[in-house]
Amino acid sequence: DAGVIQSPRHEVTEMGQEVTLRCKLISGHNSLFWYRQTMMRGLELLIYFNNNVPIDDSGMPEDRFSAKMPNASFSTLKIQPSEPRDSAVYFCASSLGDRGNPYNSPLHFGNGTRLTVT
Amino acid sequence: AQSVSQHNHHVILSEAASLELGCNYSYGGTVNLFWYVQYPGQHLQLLLKYFSGDPLVKGIKGFEAEFIKSKFSFNLRKPSVQWSDTAEYFCAVNSGGYQKVTFGTGTKLQVIP
Repeated sequence: DAGVIQSPRHEVTEMGQEVTLRCKLISGHNSLFWYRQTMMRGLELLIYFNNNVPIDDSGMPEDRFSAKMPNASFSTLKIQPSEPRDSAVYFCASSLGDRGNPYNSPLHFGNGTRLTVT
Repeated sequence: AQSVSQHNHHVILSEAASLELGCNYSYGGTVNLFWYVQYPGQHLQLLLKYFSGDPLVKGIKGFEAEFIKSKFSFNLRKPSVQWSDTAEYFCAVNSGGYQKVTFGTGTKLQVIP
């Protein structure tokens, strides 16, 4: 099991540029979560998908952020245009609920993408 | 809406000291509770979880947590910490048949040799 794979590990870009973060879920998992971690705000849920469908995107900061799941195993988080305040570590996590309780499955996190916007 | 509070932001202990990190959640219904650990420079990993049954849950590396429903608490404990336990610890909850997991702000634990 390769785990959740995120790319790139580090991204440095200039303000105004488009940034795309990528995530490959663990095979067979049906839920995908994007989190952002900063010193000031801790770990914030941005959006999560279940069976490729966005369920809750209330954490997405503004229209500059968008996320997609083009298939069951892959997701992208795009920031366009990027701003210095977007600098953070972005984590992707996946999970699979069991039949008895689809909501009790723990999250499996990727190694994160450290984004720096200058 | 569910929320999680971790009141200790930064804890410093000497090796062999006992540890207790507080976690309180706000939701009146059925909850699933988790503790995750993030070692320096690494991603979050599951330490332990509570879904139902015995309120005292044992996890990896000698950690345990006790679910006290009347206090809406799920405190993490370890009788004797080691230097390798230096990390950030996150309490998390999901509830109400809803898959969204809400994390606390985290507690940084520093263990001094």
